[in-house]
Amino acid sequence: AQTVTQSQPEMSVQEAETVTLSCTYDTSESDYYLFWYKQPPSRQMILVIRQEAYKQQNATENRFSVNFQKAAKSFSLKISDSQLGDAAMYFCAYRIQGGSEKLVFGKGTKLTVNP
Amino acid sequence: KAGVTQTPRYLIKTRGQQVTLSCSPISGHRSVSWYQQTPGQGLQFLFEYFSETQRNKGNFPGRFSGRQFSNSRSEMNVSTLELGDSALYLCASSLEGDEANYGYTFGSGTRLTVV
Repeated sequence: AQTVTQSQPEMSVQEAETVTLSCTYDTSESDYYLFWYKQPPSRQMILVIRQEAYKQQNATENRFSVNFQKAAKSFSLKISDSQLGDAAMYFCAYRIQGGSEKLVFGKGTKLTVNP
Repeated sequence: KAGVTQTPRYLIKTRGQQVTLSCSPISGHRSVSWYQQTPGQGLQFLFEYFSETQRNKGNFPGRFSGRQFSNSRSEMNVSTLELGDSALYLCASSLEGDEANYGYTFGSGTRLTVV
């Protein structure tokens, strides 16, 4: 069974500092996609960044970047220059290429940004 | 371009009643997925519809059902409500196949409270 584990239920960071959120996953598939979603108090899940498993290069979107270690099945999210608006729940998710049209989510990490 | 619209935003029902939730996907998206989010279980996949057909179903009892209309709008129904059905129900839409690997777009959810 595919599982996604986020070992940090809560994290905090000072504004303008850098924080890294951890995610590990378990799968026997070789071709899949990984996502980080952000869920602010408005409840809407917002896609932050995605990574294709067959690409070795780590994805980057402005202040957000990932450290993808395929052999270790690790997919951490780094947020640089943290802003107050980054405060939210962050969910790591996984989708098999060509498989069931569903995302498997981790339990989430609550990020607090301190001014 | 309008996002994914879920109605109603909040709902309070009594045990034993039934409820219908609605989801209108982004224009052009034909795949609609439903997720249940609770503090204890996190985000769990309910089912996915494409072109009015249920393609995948999660591990939920038969009290949970859904359908999709020709305009891609989807409804999910929960019959004989139980207290444990209290949750945030999220709908996500995506394009078909490989395009879905670019991520799903979520609505803001329906908060269902069963009393």
